[in-house]
Amino acid sequence: EIVMTQTPLSLSVTPGQPASISCKSSQSLLYSDGKTYLYWYLQKPGQSPQLLIYEVSNRFSGVPDGFSGSGSGTDFTLTISRVEAEDVGIYFCMQGLQLPLTFGGGTKVEIK
Amino acid sequence: EVQLVESGGVVVQPGGSLRLSCVASGFNFHDYSMHWVRQVPGKGLEWVSLISWDTVSAFYADSVKGRFTISRDNSKNSLSLQMNSLRTEDTALYFCAKDKALLTTWSGFHYWGQGTLVTVSS
Repeated sequence: EIVMTQTPLSLSVTPGQPASISCKSSQSLLYSDGKTYLYWYLQKPGQSPQLLIYEVSNRFSGVPDGFSGSGSGTDFTLTISRVEAEDVGIYFCMQGLQLPLTFGGGTKVEIK
Repeated sequence: EVQLVESGGVVVQPGGSLRLSCVASGFNFHDYSMHWVRQVPGKGLEWVSLISWDTVSAFYADSVKGRFTISRDNSKNSLSLQMNSLRTEDTALYFCAKDKALLTTWSGFHYWGQGTLVTVSS
């Protein structure tokens, strides 16, 4: 099973300031088709998770361009360029390379 | 607009059975694999099961293998999860989720339903 490790556990951010979340996988998420199956999700309070980023760096439709994903192999980062009040929630990374599909433990982002 | 609506979550005793359902709309259901994912309230996410778009393949997490059965009816745009021999540790919010990739066994989760709560308790 691929283990996904997210840091930090929580972030308290001043509005307008940037934030970064790290996600590390226990093995490379690069597949033979050339794609890297790393996803980022945001679960806002009381809601189900929503897709933010797919295949490391592709923003899903409707996701603000202040969200960006980067990385390769086993090390990945989600960056929010300027955190806003509506960005609060728990951010999860997930690997889609092999079964079982596994998630990071989550990073709770709150506003200072 | 993609919609996934789960139902069937109730309180059930340990050892009991339950069937969850998910009705999909807003996309070509028969072209996408579907998943069940669960979350203990306030905790992390655990993938439970997936069924391929063509119903040929089904996969399960070790924690539910042999107890849960996933199925789908492409003529009714519906997904089901038959849960037998339930344990207290199966208590969670169960989400159905659409896979992102067209005609692919799995990739990642695209859209999620709002979830249905299963509580296993005596």
